[in-house]
Amino acid sequence: EVQLVESGGGLVKPGESLRLSCAGSGFTFSNAWMNWVRQAPGKGLEWVGRIKSKPDGETTDYAAPVKGRFTISRDDSKNTVYMQMNSLKAEDTAEYFCATGLVFDHWGQGTLVTVSS
Amino acid sequence: EIVLTQSPGTLSLSPGERATLSCRASQSVCSTYLAWYQQKPGQAPRLLIYGASSRATGIPDRFSGSGSGTDFTLTISRLEPEDFAVYYCQQYCQQYGSTLYTFGQGTKLEIK
Repeated sequence: EVQLVESGGGLVKPGESLRLSCAGSGFTFSNAWMNWVRQAPGKGLEWVGRIKSKPDGETTDYAAPVKGRFTISRDDSKNTVYMQMNSLKAEDTAEYFCATGLVFDHWGQGTLVTVSS
Repeated sequence: EIVLTQSPGTLSLSPGERATLSCRASQSVCSTYLAWYQQKPGQAPRLLIYGASSRATGIPDRFSGSGSGTDFTLTISRLEPEDFAVYYCQQYCQQYGSTLYTFGQGTKLEIK
């Protein structure tokens, strides 16, 4: 069974940093493209970014609102993808989900990030 | 950037009825890279349809997707109680080695 477990969320002040993790199991993690999607409270879904698998170049893409502030990386030895979030803003407050694949066929349950002074 | 507009915003129907949800793109979607997701309160989204019309693993055949270009539809043939949720369309486009995704704003399917 595919499982994705996010962690690392919490309450931070504007301008601070946070690193989210997503641990995967039940599938060949090293071959998977991994995505981050967020959902502000009561709002819709917003794609944040994605890292391809190492065989596909391990390249990253980001949505415009986070480009230059967020960085996605992966450690296939730990079956884990990370998202380093710097210079956080109030509008980054959201539930953050990781999801696998070109289309998002498996999702974690999310981790809440709150940015507030 | 492609903008996806879903309609209606809210759809009120009864179990057993047919639901038709629309997703319109501001410009032609890359090939047929259009997906649909279902999200229930407090849960992560679930992939229903990809490639505009292919059902994801384990999705009942009462769910079907259609469309191309800029107009796409998700149809639920006979609503079951568990189908009442929020539905999102998503386009994904690979160009010049990059992949970009956008979601529609969602359609809430509620029990009448």
